[in-house]
Amino acid sequence: DIQMTQSPSSLSASVGDRVTITCRASLGIRNDLGWYQQKPGKAPKRLIFAASTLQSGVPSRFSGSGSGTEFTLTISSLQPEDFATYYCLQHNTYPLTFGGGTKVEIK
Amino acid sequence: QVQLQESGPGLVRPSQTLSLTCSVSGDSISSGGYFWTWIRQYPGRGLEWIGYIYSSGDTYYNPSLRSRLSMSVDTSKNHFSLRLTSVTAADTAVYYCARDRESGFDYWGQGILVTVSS
Repeated sequence: DIQMTQSPSSLSASVGDRVTITCRASLGIRNDLGWYQQKPGKAPKRLIFAASTLQSGVPSRFSGSGSGTEFTLTISSLQPEDFATYYCLQHNTYPLTFGGGTKVEIK
Repeated sequence: QVQLQESGPGLVRPSQTLSLTCSVSGDSISSGGYFWTWIRQYPGRGLEWIGYIYSSGDTYYNPSLRSRLSMSVDTSKNHFSLRLTSVTAADTAVYYCARDRESGFDYWGQGILVTVSS
């Protein structure tokens, strides 16, 4: 299985901060990576697919980059509604695998 | 608007079979083009892809669960189902169904907590 290593596992930030989350794949996955946001008690919601394509309706402060084994999710200016847990997902090779998650908390 | 809704028992006894159904509205499973998927989330965060079924009935399961897992689809009712046999406490999780078009999961159900306990 392809292992997805996500870092950091948690972070504290303030409204307006720029936040960066990284995901590393144990094998190259081209750009077959997505980012998901999950709030407590809710299902994950897709933010980005194909590493950098913004899901329809997602604010432009979210962006993704990378290919191969290194990927990044950036929130350019953190908003109150962005405090949540974020996951990456590789959809290149079965079984599909998720990163361990990054919890973004209020500083 | 595509919606998915999981249903099934919230409590399953150890060694018994876990059965869940995902009802789909706003899209027709029989139209093809999507992989109808099950995912679970363990208490504390971790997400695990369980497997998918296509409208034709073709399936692909996570090898870690393959010996205990089966999925089926009923296009007349526009739903698909999961059966996991010989469950243990390690199968306690929130189970989600989702739609996948080989680019990840664009629609998810709300999830159903299944607890394995005597």
